[in-house]
Amino acid sequence: EAGVTQSPTHLIKTRGQQATLRCSPISGHTSVYWYQQALGLGLQFLLWYDEGEERNRGNFPPRFSGRQFPNYSSELNVNALELEDSALYLCASSSRGGPSYNEQFFGPGTRLTVL
Amino acid sequence: SQQGEEDPQALSIQEGENATMNCSYKTSINNLQWYRQNSGRGLVHLILIRSNEREKHSGRLRVTLDTSKKSSSLLITASRAADTASYFCATVLSGGYNKLIFGAGTRLAVHP
Repeated sequence: EAGVTQSPTHLIKTRGQQATLRCSPISGHTSVYWYQQALGLGLQFLLWYDEGEERNRGNFPPRFSGRQFPNYSSELNVNALELEDSALYLCASSSRGGPSYNEQFFGPGTRLTVL
Repeated sequence: SQQGEEDPQALSIQEGENATMNCSYKTSINNLQWYRQNSGRGLVHLILIRSNEREKHSGRLRVTLDTSKKSSSLLITASRAADTASYFCATVLSGGYNKLIFGAGTRLAVHP
């Protein structure tokens, strides 16, 4: 069974640009989560999508947004990039019911560097 | 602010020794999970323990949960060099919340 996949592996952008990160969940999983792992800030919850809708959002500005497609894959968009957005962005998926009862399985991450 | 705090921040041991990492949290939880991360890449799920459970085992891993003390521990027995990684605890809060709140992690180095 294929795990969670993310693309691209690395992404280099300049300040002010937009970045789009992609995630494909494990087959059969309907929930997708996004986390940011920035140096010195640890792993922080960004967004949770389930059945195509945003279910929960972390303490991030509106320029962090995303969506979930009918096939349950997801995109994370970061607009007006700032230097402090440089981080490893991790996507995770879980089966129906959310993480309260189910484990989250993580992808390898996308390392975003903002110059 | 982070819910979980791991202790120690870093741990260095020899192969064959046991490694114990502790995690404390602040509010009531639905479950607590332990993850491993190698070299800043993706997280690998190790164990999930629910709030009504006290101990779980998986291979060389043993996790305990003490909800009265709001703490958990991860024991890795007979450690191997391949266990070298960062280990994170993550909590799912009770009350309908649905996101993982991670601690800062423990960096484990196992020397041959």
